[in-house]
Amino acid sequence: NAGVMQNPRHLVRRRGQEARLRCSPMKGHSHVYWYRQLPEEGLKFMVYLQKENIIDESGMPKERFSAEFPKEGPSILRIQQVVRGDSAAYFCASSQGQSQPQHFGDGTRLSIL
Amino acid sequence: DQQVKQNSPSLSVQEGRISILNCDYTNSMFDYFLWYKKYPAEGPTFLISISSIKDKNEDGRFTVFLNKSAKHLSLHIVPSQPGDSAVYFCAAMTLNTGANSKLTFGKGITLSVRP
Repeated sequence: NAGVMQNPRHLVRRRGQEARLRCSPMKGHSHVYWYRQLPEEGLKFMVYLQKENIIDESGMPKERFSAEFPKEGPSILRIQQVVRGDSAAYFCASSQGQSQPQHFGDGTRLSIL
Repeated sequence: DQQVKQNSPSLSVQEGRISILNCDYTNSMFDYFLWYKKYPAEGPTFLISISSIKDKNEDGRFTVFLNKSAKHLSLHIVPSQPGDSAVYFCAAMTLNTGANSKLTFGKGITLSVRP
């Protein structure tokens, strides 16, 4: 499968723990985007990264959330000290360039106990 | 503030007939529009897109129409098939400002195609 790979597919955490979500973009894609979907809502943009650079993080909560896309390895979305309101589906997308369609992974469903 | 609106939460059509899914937007800076299809427990799948310099784009059974003056676009699926049953998201972005290519999504519309 040469598509966008996200893992884990499901993640359960207790309040106060850390959650790490991983995303490997499609081969040849250097642009990565993270979106969050709450129940009955559309996807909401969080952050846009290129290799080793955060281009736009205007959708990221100011605290507890961070993202990276290192030179080697997958992009990571990290949520520290999770709270119940962080429960959502987190989708990663990648594209070849800014004007190219974004292709999505199957998401990580995060549940907070 | 919902910049991309899909006002009908659901649509049901008979197999073989046309499905018309509507989308409105409020941000006049949007210049590139996309439709995605989503099955439960999967990620959105890109279907078709249109640039603001066009008013129509066609790909097989899928056609997207853009009316810039009305800030309205629609996705036509003809003929509709049971496998088309899914949630359809309209999304928009601004290309002409350069750096920012984030997508703004509507809430989606659930299409059911009856056999």
